[in-house]
Amino acid sequence: DAGVTQSPTHLIKTRGQHVTLRCSPISGHKSVSWYQQVLGQGPQFIFQYYEKEERGRGNFPDRFSARQFPNYSSELNVNALLLGDSALYLCASSLVPGMNTEAFFGQGTRLTVV
Amino acid sequence: GQNIDQPTEMTATEGAIVQINCTYQTSGFNGLFWYQQHAGEAPTFLSYNVLDGLEEKGRFSSFLSRSKGYSYLLLKELQMKDSASYLCAVRGDYGGSQGNLIFGKGTKLSVKP
Repeated sequence: DAGVTQSPTHLIKTRGQHVTLRCSPISGHKSVSWYQQVLGQGPQFIFQYYEKEERGRGNFPDRFSARQFPNYSSELNVNALLLGDSALYLCASSLVPGMNTEAFFGQGTRLTVV
Repeated sequence: GQNIDQPTEMTATEGAIVQINCTYQTSGFNGLFWYQQHAGEAPTFLSYNVLDGLEEKGRFSSFLSRSKGYSYLLLKELQMKDSASYLCAVRGDYGGSQGNLIFGKGTKLSVKP
């Protein structure tokens, strides 16, 4: 059974460009969350989606947006990239939000903005 | 506000026992998680506590005291492969969500021969 899969694994973009990151949750999981992890820090919550609706949003600017599709996969979009957006972007899936179950993480997308 | 504190770095010897502490102050509490993260890789789940007390899973144990806002991860019989960052995370009410995780900065553990 496949775990959480993210694509691409690595990406290099120029300042001002936009980027789309993709995530497929574990089969049967309906909740997807996105996290940003800057080098040397813990992951920071960006978005949570459940049943295609946004259920939570962290302290990130409007340049960050996301959506969830009917098959529960998700996209994270970042516009007008800044150097500070360089980070590991992690997707986590769980059965439903708020339940006493662990979140499973994908391998992440390493974004470098130059 | 949300605040999770854990030591930045720790060093221990192969075969020994190490305890990694975590204190937290969060709005809402729906469980505390410990994750292991090797450099350049995704976090992998180690343990989950929602009630006070000790949870044991092989060489790893995790303890929670909700009244003190305190948890620790205990690693026994340390192996070289245990060298990694250990992340303490609280599932709390943040950003309008009850399901997301609030992470500490992580504790980088180095196991020496």
